[in-house]
Amino acid sequence: GAGVSQSPSNKVTEKGKDVELRCDPISGHTALYWYRQSLGQGLEFLIYFQGNSAPDKSGLPSDRFSAERTGGSVSTLTIQRTQQEDSAVYLCASSLAQGAGNTEAFFGQGTRLTVV
Amino acid sequence: GQQLNQSPQSMFIQEGEDVSMNCTSSSIFNTWLWYKQDPGEGPVLLIALYKAGELTSNGRLTAQFGITRKDSFLNISASIPSDVGIYFCAGRMIKAAGNKLTFGGGTRVLVKP
Repeated sequence: GAGVSQSPSNKVTEKGKDVELRCDPISGHTALYWYRQSLGQGLEFLIYFQGNSAPDKSGLPSDRFSAERTGGSVSTLTIQRTQQEDSAVYLCASSLAQGAGNTEAFFGQGTRLTVV
Repeated sequence: GQQLNQSPQSMFIQEGEDVSMNCTSSSIFNTWLWYKQDPGEGPVLLIALYKAGELTSNGRLTAQFGITRKDSFLNISASIPSDVGIYFCAGRMIKAAGNKLTFGGGTRVLVKP
């Protein structure tokens, strides 16, 4: 597609349930980021995938959070046993990440997660 | 943890004013990017900078890559109400593993009441 696509755009779930958020990056982009953003706040880094390298998981807040990137393209972020504090907008971004001139990252519209 | 210090955290603008925000770090960067986020949307890239000293404009926006390679600023001239939003800087450190970008904490631009 033309841009980064995230689905669903909104998700309401009950506390304790698992959720999966999906990100379709721009075709050919080897790098993919997940961020979490609480209302009016900054971008909290979660995880970074780059090509076939081991992902940088240093931002995942707990072992309830995990992410996969199958085939170097689509990524899913899974939150198990959701808690109310998980409520936020989850943003995905992708970039070419090859050389200094290709580091620009492009964001999707985000998934707004509400845990009730 | 946050390796980019973005300031101010928030600012009020009055229509017609020029405003400025900046990002600083103790590390050396080879790329600086500036984004704007409108409510309910993802951040959108405004300006990309790749050389120390580079000065680039996009309409009323001007950004510069600091000559020390440790900072960057963004200026908005003759601000208008639609400039309201959250502005983020992002950079790639010179030895960033996997060319990973680091984001600043954002500057929230609001309209003076």
